[in-house]
Amino acid sequence: EAGVTQSPTHLIKTRGQQATLRCSPISGHTSVYWYQQALGLGLQFLLWYDEGEERNRGNFPPRFSGRQFPNYSSELNVNALELEDSALYLCASSLRFQRSASTDTQYFGPGTRLTVL
Amino acid sequence: AQSVTQLDSHVSVSEGTPVLLRCNYSSSYSPSLFWYVQHPNKGLQLLLKYTSAATLVKGINGFEAEFKKSETSFHLTKPSAHMSDAAEYFCVLTGGSYIPTFGRGTSLIVHP
Repeated sequence: EAGVTQSPTHLIKTRGQQATLRCSPISGHTSVYWYQQALGLGLQFLLWYDEGEERNRGNFPPRFSGRQFPNYSSELNVNALELEDSALYLCASSLRFQRSASTDTQYFGPGTRLTVL
Repeated sequence: AQSVTQLDSHVSVSEGTPVLLRCNYSSSYSPSLFWYVQHPNKGLQLLLKYTSAATLVKGINGFEAEFKKSETSFHLTKPSAHMSDAAEYFCVLTGGSYIPTFGRGTSLIVHP
């Protein structure tokens, strides 16, 4: 069974540009979560999508946005990039949230390393 | 509100000696608890999870963790450390929220 995949592996942008990161969940998983892992800050929850809907978002500005497609893959868009957006962005997937979501395991992709110059 | 505290930011052991990574939690709901490992520049890999079944949970690579409700703890142990165990370890809590709460992580250093 294929795991969670993310693309690209690395992304280099300059301040003010836009970045698009992609995630494909494990087959059968409908929930996709995005996290930011910046140096020294731990994992910060960004966004949660399920069945094409945004279910929750973390404490990030609106220039962080995304969407989930009918095949449950997801995109994370970061507009007007700032230097502090440089981080590892991790995507995770889990089963349908209606199924005892508090026990559903999240499976993580390898991440996209975003560097803003 | 729920929270996770990993009591050590760094743990240093010699190869072949036991590993103990400590995690305390706080939750108003019945918790589900997870341990993940992250090797440098990689994603997180699930080591083990507790979901209100057996309190002693066995995971991959010889790791295990014990859920102690009275102590609100979920410490991760391994009898004998291997060089390949050197990595960052995260304790994660869910329960009452669909959004997991992550600990700040513990860096495990293994000396030859």
